[in-house]
Amino acid sequence: SAVISQKPSRDICQRGTSLTIQCQVDSQVTMMFWYRQQPGQSLTLIATANQGSEATYESGFVIDKFPISRPNLTFSTLTVSNMSPEDSSIYLCSVEDRQGATEAFFGQGTRLTVV
Amino acid sequence: GDSVTQMEGPVTLSEEAFLTINCTYTATGYPSLFWYVQYPGEGLQLLLKATKADDKGSNKGFEATYRKETTSFHLEKGSVQVSDSAVYFCALSVSGGSYIPTFGRGTSLIVHP
Repeated sequence: SAVISQKPSRDICQRGTSLTIQCQVDSQVTMMFWYRQQPGQSLTLIATANQGSEATYESGFVIDKFPISRPNLTFSTLTVSNMSPEDSSIYLCSVEDRQGATEAFFGQGTRLTVV
Repeated sequence: GDSVTQMEGPVTLSEEAFLTINCTYTATGYPSLFWYVQYPGEGLQLLLKATKADDKGSNKGFEATYRKETTSFHLEKGSVQVSDSAVYFCALSVSGGSYIPTFGRGTSLIVHP
């Protein structure tokens, strides 16, 4: 299993500003994932972050808006840039199970409100 | 592509009632199936899983059986509690590739005393 610490847990931000969300894992993992969960919706994958390479973004998400860092095997950040109210969501960090048991582990999420 | 369909919520029940949340899936390979739960203000956590046909996953009184013939993985609990109030997500992942699960849209469960 993996324990994931994500911070901040929530924030209220002004439009036009940026917020960086941090994700710390208690063990080394190859792949880390960033999801967005809009109100009343399911999870939408933003990007996959591998250590030592550029993040891979899903359709509809771009690096300029959601830059990601992955400096080592236990840490990643997601920045939400130039925020607008439409970016108000829960952002979740996730990792895969390195034992191959196929389940995912999630941080507690960052609840972002843009005003 | 792969997809998961869950019943619409919210599901509102009285304490000790029987719960069923329907989940069906389509997948190109041989998926593993999962139910995740999200309690208010928290991230998702795995509730139960099944990795092959006819497997039954169970945890905390919840059960779900992997039905390949009906491509379903319905979540059931015989007697719900107020503390079960949460959002439940059905998900699948297909073996053989990079693990990125496909989630259903989630079903909110509200249990009244």
